[in-house]
Amino acid sequence: NAGVTQTPKFRILKIGQSMTLQCTQDMNHNYMYWYRQDPGMGLKLIYYSVGAGITDKGEVPNGYNVSRSTTEDFPLRLELAAPSQTSVYFCASSYSGQNQYFGPGTRLTVT
Amino acid sequence: DQQVKQNSPSLSVQEGRISILNCDYTNSMFDYFLWYKKYPAEGPTFLISISSIKDKNEDGRFTVFLNKSAKHLSLHIVPSQPGDSAVYFCAASEGSNYKLTFGKGTLLTVNP
Repeated sequence: NAGVTQTPKFRILKIGQSMTLQCTQDMNHNYMYWYRQDPGMGLKLIYYSVGAGITDKGEVPNGYNVSRSTTEDFPLRLELAAPSQTSVYFCASSYSGQNQYFGPGTRLTVT
Repeated sequence: DQQVKQNSPSLSVQEGRISILNCDYTNSMFDYFLWYKKYPAEGPTFLISISSIKDKNEDGRFTVFLNKSAKHLSLHIVPSQPGDSAVYFCAASEGSNYKLTFGKGTLLTVNP
């Protein structure tokens, strides 16, 4: 039981490049989330999903896209990377929508 | 508009003493509150939670107190241990809204 896994752990992108952050959970949770954490700040919700095929915007969705084709996977797509997207990205999943289990994070730098 | 506020960026306590971390919220619709603990280079891990129908929840060395009238909650750690040194995040959710709103976190340092 691996919980929530995220790949890659680290990535450096050039401005304008695109990439997909992968997130997989093996707990059969319906709810999945993407957050970003900037230095000295709390976690801000980017997108979330309440089940396969259903996604919705969080607090800071601009510049990102998501899809949820299976219960297990919830990839986050960055199109046209910008320096403002330099952050640590956390994926989380939940059975009830409240107690969320987090992955180890992806540290992304856009230069 | 910060709906969940942790006004102390850091807190330092001696091993064996009590650590008290505070959190204030502005949204009166919040009805479920959580504390998460985060070590460097790791994801947050769930610590303890409390529903708005309670004013106290205890789990071993960790106790969360909720004062709804003051829109304030606190996390007490007794006794504090060096392994408790981490960033602690307060979070809140509203009804069937499946989203959490996080505070900025408090860095707790427990000195041996």
